[in-house]
Amino acid sequence: QVQLQESGPGLVKPSETLSLTCTVSGGSVSSGSYYWSWIRQPPGKGLEWIGYIYSSGSTNYNPSLKSRVTISLDTSKNLFSLKLSSVTAADTAVYFCARDWIYGYGRYIFDYWGQGTLVTVSS
Amino acid sequence: EIVMTQSPATLSVSPGERATLSCRASQSINSNLAWYQQKPGQAPRLLIYGASTRATGIPARFSGSGSGTEFTLTISSLQSEDFAVYYCQQYNNWPLTFGGGTKVEIK
Repeated sequence: QVQLQESGPGLVKPSETLSLTCTVSGGSVSSGSYYWSWIRQPPGKGLEWIGYIYSSGSTNYNPSLKSRVTISLDTSKNLFSLKLSSVTAADTAVYFCARDWIYGYGRYIFDYWGQGTLVTVSS
Repeated sequence: EIVMTQSPATLSVSPGERATLSCRASQSINSNLAWYQQKPGQAPRLLIYGASTRATGIPARFSGSGSGTEFTLTISSLQSEDFAVYYCQQYNNWPLTFGGGTKVEIK
């Protein structure tokens, strides 16, 4: 059974960089069948896809966040990470990591999710 | 960016009744649509993909239909565990986008 677990600070100061890690068990981030994504959800609001990384190291980011986002992969530790720079209160959200199953050409769905971690941006 | 619009925002249904949730895309997304269920304090759970294919382990009372810009999720007979928020999500174009959600509550 695939499991994803987010970890990182729950409180970040404005203008600083948010850093989170997603550790994967029961599956490999080196598999070519998946993207590995970050998604966030502000309190009481909907879901926003942040971006993904593929096993090759290629990335794809939401244009709304692209200038501030970096997603990286550590195959030796079977994890991937998110960095979001210059954060403001608007970045306060539950951050989820998820596996994006590539089930066909141009077809990918989030089939496994971490439980999410709340990150609050406040001084 | 493709905008996904869900309606209604809240649906009040009695247990055992049918629930019909709608999702509209701002442009055609073919059948590249997924539905997720989210309960308070939990991650979303995949229900439907390809507009109409149930994910592994999802009960048959959940069904999806539609293509192009109009989609529907139907829960044929609501069980107590089905009261939750439901999101649609398109994966036809980048960036991937979600609808604002429909909350299914007990009437």
